[in-house]
Amino acid sequence: SAVISQKPSRDICQRGTSLTIQCQVDSQVTMMFWYRQQPGQSLTLIATANQGSEATYESGFVIDKFPISRPNLTFSTLTVSNMSPEDSSIYLCSVGVRPNTGELFFGEGSRLTVL
Amino acid sequence: GENVEQHPSTLSVQEGDSAVIKCTYSDSASNYFPWYKQELGKGPQLIIDIRSNVGEKKDQRIAVTLNKTAKHFSLHITETQPEDSAVYFCAASIQAGTALIFGKGTTLSVSS
Repeated sequence: SAVISQKPSRDICQRGTSLTIQCQVDSQVTMMFWYRQQPGQSLTLIATANQGSEATYESGFVIDKFPISRPNLTFSTLTVSNMSPEDSSIYLCSVGVRPNTGELFFGEGSRLTVL
Repeated sequence: GENVEQHPSTLSVQEGDSAVIKCTYSDSASNYFPWYKQELGKGPQLIIDIRSNVGEKKDQRIAVTLNKTAKHFSLHITETQPEDSAVYFCAASIQAGTALIFGKGTTLSVSS
């Protein structure tokens, strides 16, 4: 497995502002993903964070709204831009340690509340 | 793309009873099927998984079965305990190295 640290663990933000979430892993990982979990809902994939290149976004998510960086194999950031109350969610970083197995491990999540 | 359906959305059992959660998937190319447990305020934790070349896998009180022909897989928890109370998610991926697609989750409540 892997130890995944996310910061912040929670935050309350004002409408129109942006917030950057950090994901730090204790070992190098090949796969890194960002998920969103709205209150009481399932996990929805936002994007695949690609090391050294632009992230790959899922349908309904765009780079201008959710810019992602992944400068190396242990770190990634997700920014939620120009936030509205609809962005209130838990944002989860997920990593794959062994690329041929498909196993993904999750951080504890970052709970954002937008007022 | 892949679509994963999960049932039931809520499940209440008495301590010691068994619990079964079922999922179906749409893409016959999917070959990896994990189950996650999420406790309140925490991230999902992998509890068991199964691959398409295996029909059943067991780990103590939990087991997972896979029927590739019918495209469904199930989680079985025996001798349930109050600490099993949580939200359980099934998921599927088309190939190793790709992201997981999740079901909508099942809230399991075990009463003592």
